[in-house]
Amino acid sequence: DGGITQSPKYLFRKEGQNVTLSCEQNLNHDAMYWYRQDPGQGLRLIYYSQIVNDFQKGDIAEGYSVSREKKESFPLTVTSAQKNPTAFYLCASSIGQEFEKLFFGSGTQLSVL
Amino acid sequence: GQNIDQPTEMTATEGAIVQINCTYQTSGFNGLFWYQQHAGEAPTFLSYNVLDGLEEKGRFSSFLSRSKGYSYLLLKELQMKDSASYLCAGLDSNYQLIWGAGTKLIIKP
Repeated sequence: DGGITQSPKYLFRKEGQNVTLSCEQNLNHDAMYWYRQDPGQGLRLIYYSQIVNDFQKGDIAEGYSVSREKKESFPLTVTSAQKNPTAFYLCASSIGQEFEKLFFGSGTQLSVL
Repeated sequence: GQNIDQPTEMTATEGAIVQINCTYQTSGFNGLFWYQQHAGEAPTFLSYNVLDGLEEKGRFSSFLSRSKGYSYLLLKELQMKDSASYLCAGLDSNYQLIWGAGTKLIIKP
Protein backbone atom coordinates (compact mmCIF):
# COMPACT_ATOMS: atom_id res chain seq x y z
CA ASP A 1 0.00 0.00 0.00
CA GLY A 2 1.21 3.51 -0.80
CA GLY A 3 1.67 5.95 2.01
CA ILE A 4 3.98 7.97 4.23
CA THR A 5 6.00 6.36 6.97
CA GLN A 6 7.38 8.35 9.87
CA SER A 7 9.73 6.95 12.44
CA PRO A 8 10.14 6.70 15.29
CA LYS A 9 6.68 7.16 16.80
CA TYR A 10 8.21 8.49 20.04
CA LEU A 11 11.60 10.16 20.45
CA PHE A 12 13.40 11.63 23.42
CA ARG A 13 16.10 14.26 23.16
CA LYS A 14 18.74 15.14 25.70
CA GLU A 15 20.04 18.67 26.20
CA GLY A 16 22.49 19.69 23.47
CA GLN A 17 21.63 16.73 21.29
CA ASN A 18 20.59 16.73 17.64
CA VAL A 19 17.92 14.22 16.65
CA THR A 20 16.66 13.21 13.22
CA LEU A 21 13.08 12.31 12.35
CA SER A 22 12.58 10.04 9.38
CA CYS A 23 9.93 10.50 6.67
CA GLU A 24 9.61 8.17 3.68
CA GLN A 25 6.87 8.14 1.03
CA ASN A 26 6.15 5.73 -1.80
CA LEU A 27 3.37 7.78 -3.39
CA ASN A 28 5.69 9.27 -6.03
CA HIS A 29 4.77 12.74 -4.79
CA ASP A 30 7.00 15.65 -5.72
CA ALA A 31 6.30 17.88 -2.72
CA MET A 32 7.01 17.05 0.92
CA TYR A 33 6.43 19.07 4.07
CA TRP A 34 7.26 19.12 7.75
CA TYR A 35 4.75 20.55 10.22
CA ARG A 36 4.91 21.06 13.94
CA GLN A 37 1.75 20.62 16.03
CA ASP A 38 1.45 22.05 19.54
CA PRO A 39 -1.62 21.78 21.78
CA GLY A 40 -4.07 24.61 21.14
CA GLN A 41 -2.29 25.78 17.99
CA GLY A 42 -2.68 25.19 14.30
CA LEU A 43 -0.13 23.25 12.30
CA ARG A 44 2.95 25.34 11.61
CA LEU A 45 5.15 24.78 8.57
CA ILE A 46 8.82 24.13 9.30
CA TYR A 47 10.27 23.30 5.87
CA TYR A 48 8.97 22.16 2.53
CA SER A 49 10.45 20.75 -0.64
CA GLN A 50 8.86 20.73 -4.07
CA ILE A 51 11.66 18.91 -5.87
CA VAL A 52 14.71 16.81 -5.10
CA ASN A 53 17.77 18.76 -3.89
CA ASP A 54 15.69 21.86 -3.19
CA PHE A 55 13.83 23.01 -0.09
CA GLN A 56 12.48 26.21 1.42
CA LYS A 57 12.05 27.50 4.95
CA GLY A 58 8.58 27.65 6.36
CA ASP A 59 7.31 29.88 9.14
CA ILE A 60 9.34 28.34 11.98
CA ALA A 61 12.55 26.96 10.41
CA GLU A 62 14.96 28.21 13.08
CA GLY A 63 16.59 25.33 14.94
CA TYR A 64 15.68 22.77 12.28
CA SER A 65 17.39 21.44 9.16
CA VAL A 66 16.30 19.15 6.31
CA SER A 67 17.66 17.42 3.25
CA ARG A 68 16.02 16.08 0.09
CA GLU A 69 18.54 13.82 -1.60
CA LYS A 70 15.89 11.38 -2.82
CA LYS A 71 12.33 11.94 -3.95
CA GLU A 72 11.09 9.42 -1.39
CA SER A 73 12.85 10.79 1.67
CA PHE A 74 12.70 14.08 3.60
CA PRO A 75 14.37 13.74 7.01
CA LEU A 76 14.10 16.50 9.60
CA THR A 77 16.89 17.22 12.09
CA VAL A 78 15.97 19.02 15.28
CA THR A 79 19.17 20.72 16.35
CA SER A 80 20.31 21.79 19.81
CA ALA A 81 19.51 25.35 18.73
CA GLN A 82 15.80 24.54 18.96
CA LYS A 83 15.16 25.38 22.60
CA ASN A 84 11.58 24.20 22.77
CA PRO A 85 11.45 21.03 20.65
CA THR A 86 8.69 19.18 22.50
CA ALA A 87 5.87 18.78 19.98
CA PHE A 88 4.13 16.40 17.60
CA TYR A 89 5.86 16.45 14.21
CA LEU A 90 3.95 15.62 11.07
CA CYS A 91 5.39 14.90 7.65
CA ALA A 92 3.17 15.27 4.59
CA SER A 93 3.37 14.99 0.85
CA SER A 94 1.39 16.17 -2.15
CA ILE A 95 1.50 16.14 -5.93
CA GLY A 96 2.93 19.59 -6.51
CA GLN A 97 0.48 22.22 -5.25
CA GLU A 98 -2.48 19.87 -5.19
CA PHE A 99 -3.19 20.33 -1.50
CA GLU A 100 -6.41 18.36 -1.80
CA LYS A 101 -4.16 15.35 -2.06
CA LEU A 102 -2.11 16.16 1.03
CA PHE A 103 -1.22 12.91 2.76
CA PHE A 104 0.16 12.87 6.28
CA GLY A 105 2.35 10.41 8.09
CA SER A 106 1.32 9.15 11.51
CA GLY A 107 3.59 11.59 13.31
CA THR A 108 6.51 11.59 15.75
CA GLN A 109 6.10 12.80 19.32
CA LEU A 110 9.37 14.42 20.40
CA SER A 111 10.01 15.07 24.07
CA VAL A 112 12.94 16.50 25.99
CA LEU A 113 14.54 14.47 28.77
CA GLY B 1 -2.32 39.11 9.25
CA GLN B 2 -3.66 35.73 8.29
CA ASN B 3 -5.94 33.92 10.69
CA ILE B 4 -8.23 30.93 10.96
CA ASP B 5 -10.73 30.81 13.83
CA GLN B 6 -12.72 27.79 14.95
CA PRO B 7 -14.20 26.74 18.30
CA THR B 8 -11.87 24.86 20.62
CA GLU B 9 -14.28 22.14 21.65
CA MET B 10 -17.82 20.95 20.93
CA THR B 11 -19.97 18.20 22.38
CA ALA B 12 -22.74 16.34 20.58
CA THR B 13 -24.87 13.23 21.00
CA GLU B 14 -24.58 10.03 19.01
CA GLY B 15 -27.05 10.04 16.12
CA ALA B 16 -27.43 13.83 16.13
CA ILE B 17 -26.14 16.55 13.77
CA VAL B 18 -23.32 18.98 14.56
CA GLN B 19 -22.01 22.03 12.68
CA ILE B 20 -18.41 23.16 13.18
CA ASN B 21 -17.80 26.73 12.05
CA CYS B 22 -14.62 28.29 10.70
CA THR B 23 -13.89 31.90 9.81
CA TYR B 24 -10.82 32.84 7.85
CA GLN B 25 -8.70 35.81 6.89
CA THR B 26 -6.05 35.03 4.31
CA SER B 27 -3.92 36.98 1.86
CA GLY B 28 -5.78 35.96 -1.25
CA PHE B 29 -7.83 32.78 -1.30
CA ASN B 30 -7.42 29.53 -3.17
CA GLY B 31 -9.75 27.32 -1.22
CA LEU B 32 -10.61 25.95 2.19
CA PHE B 33 -9.95 22.49 3.55
CA TRP B 34 -11.29 20.35 6.35
CA TYR B 35 -9.27 17.52 7.86
CA GLN B 36 -10.12 15.00 10.57
CA GLN B 37 -7.49 14.03 13.13
CA HIS B 38 -7.89 11.34 15.77
CA ALA B 39 -5.69 11.81 18.82
CA GLY B 40 -2.06 10.95 18.12
CA GLU B 41 -2.75 10.12 14.50
CA ALA B 42 -2.36 11.66 11.06
CA PRO B 43 -4.86 14.20 9.79
CA THR B 44 -6.97 12.84 6.95
CA PHE B 45 -8.57 14.88 4.19
CA LEU B 46 -12.33 15.43 4.41
CA SER B 47 -13.25 18.21 1.98
CA TYR B 48 -12.10 21.08 -0.19
CA ASN B 49 -14.23 24.09 -1.16
CA VAL B 50 -13.16 26.84 -3.52
CA LEU B 51 -16.56 28.02 -4.77
CA ASP B 52 -19.50 29.20 -2.68
CA GLY B 53 -22.03 26.62 -1.69
CA LEU B 54 -22.47 23.25 -0.11
CA GLU B 55 -20.48 20.11 -0.98
CA GLU B 56 -21.92 16.85 0.28
CA LYS B 57 -20.02 13.62 0.85
CA GLY B 58 -22.09 11.01 2.61
CA ARG B 59 -22.60 11.98 6.25
CA PHE B 60 -20.23 14.94 5.93
CA SER B 61 -20.95 18.23 4.14
CA SER B 62 -18.90 21.40 3.88
CA PHE B 63 -20.12 24.91 3.10
CA LEU B 64 -18.25 27.99 1.94
CA SER B 65 -19.15 31.69 1.72
CA ARG B 66 -16.23 33.64 0.28
CA SER B 67 -17.92 37.02 0.79
CA LYS B 68 -18.25 36.29 4.52
CA GLY B 69 -14.90 34.49 4.96
CA TYR B 70 -16.86 31.63 6.49
CA SER B 71 -17.09 27.88 6.23
CA TYR B 72 -18.72 25.10 8.18
CA LEU B 73 -18.45 21.35 8.38
CA LEU B 74 -21.72 19.52 8.95
CA LEU B 75 -21.68 16.01 10.37
CA LYS B 76 -24.92 14.02 10.31
CA GLU B 77 -25.92 10.79 12.06
CA LEU B 78 -23.02 11.12 14.44
CA GLN B 79 -21.15 7.98 15.41
CA MET B 80 -18.78 7.44 18.31
CA LYS B 81 -15.90 7.09 15.84
CA ASP B 82 -16.48 10.72 14.80
CA SER B 83 -14.92 11.80 18.08
CA ALA B 84 -11.82 13.59 16.81
CA SER B 85 -10.37 17.01 16.12
CA TYR B 86 -11.49 18.79 12.97
CA LEU B 87 -8.96 21.09 11.37
CA CYS B 88 -9.90 23.99 9.12
CA ALA B 89 -7.20 25.31 6.75
CA GLY B 90 -7.23 28.11 4.19
CA LEU B 91 -5.04 28.19 1.09
CA ASP B 92 -3.62 31.67 0.48
CA SER B 93 -2.50 33.36 -2.72
CA ASN B 94 0.96 31.75 -2.41
CA TYR B 95 -0.59 28.30 -2.13
CA GLN B 96 0.44 28.05 1.50
CA LEU B 97 -1.94 26.45 3.98
CA ILE B 98 -2.96 28.48 7.03
CA TRP B 99 -4.26 26.16 9.74
CA GLY B 100 -6.76 26.70 12.51
CA ALA B 101 -6.06 25.23 15.96
CA GLY B 102 -8.72 22.57 15.43
CA THR B 103 -12.06 21.81 17.04
CA LYS B 104 -12.17 18.82 19.38
CA LEU B 105 -15.51 17.07 18.92
CA ILE B 106 -16.72 14.89 21.77
CA ILE B 107 -19.54 12.47 21.01
CA LYS B 108 -21.64 11.22 23.93
CA PRO B 109 -23.85 8.11 23.82
